[in-house]
Amino acid sequence: AQKITQTQPGMFVQEKEAVTLDCTYDTSDQSYGLFWYKQPSSGEMIFLIYQGSYDEQNATEGRYSLNFQKARKSANLVISASQLGDSAMYFCATNAGGTSYGKLTFGQGTILTVHP
Amino acid sequence: DTAVSQTPKYLVTQMGNDKSIKCEQNLGHDTMYWYKQDSKKFLKIMFSYNNKELIINETVPNRFSPKSPDKAHLNLHINSLELGDSAVYFCASSQDWTGTEAFFGQGTRLTVV
Repeated sequence: AQKITQTQPGMFVQEKEAVTLDCTYDTSDQSYGLFWYKQPSSGEMIFLIYQGSYDEQNATEGRYSLNFQKARKSANLVISASQLGDSAMYFCATNAGGTSYGKLTFGQGTILTVHP
Repeated sequence: DTAVSQTPKYLVTQMGNDKSIKCEQNLGHDTMYWYKQDSKKFLKIMFSYNNKELIINETVPNRFSPKSPDKAHLNLHINSLELGDSAVYFCASSQDWTGTEAFFGQGTRLTVV
């Protein structure tokens, strides 16, 4: 079974600073994707960023970037210039798993709190 | 227009009742999913349908029965509700089953009393 680990139950950051949310994964697949989702207190799941295992460059989407280190099997999310609206729960996920048929395996989540 | 919409957003019901949650996506995606988020916020897949055909059933009790009348809809029917079924249920869709990103609905918070 594929495994995703987020070791930080909670993180705090000052507004306008950068923050890194950790994610490690375990798979024997060669081809897989890594995803980050944001879940604000309102409850919806918002897709943030995607990294393919064969992508040579780290993915970026606005203030979000994914620090992908394949050999270490890590896919950390970096949020630059944090805003109060970034306070939320963040989930790392992967679709690794051979014939996973697109299903996502999620980590435990990290609660990010942005202080003014 | 909401891409993936679920109804209802909140559902409070008594043990033993039967209830349904509806999901529709207007993205033209082929694959739809149901995920369950428990009280500890852990998300786990329940079912996946590709073009109306069931392709994943993750050891979910058979009280849960998904139904896909067409590829834009995936409904979840739950029989004989139990206290432990209380959770947030998310519908999601992706372009196909090869693993592109999934877009989620807003979730349905089910409370069984």
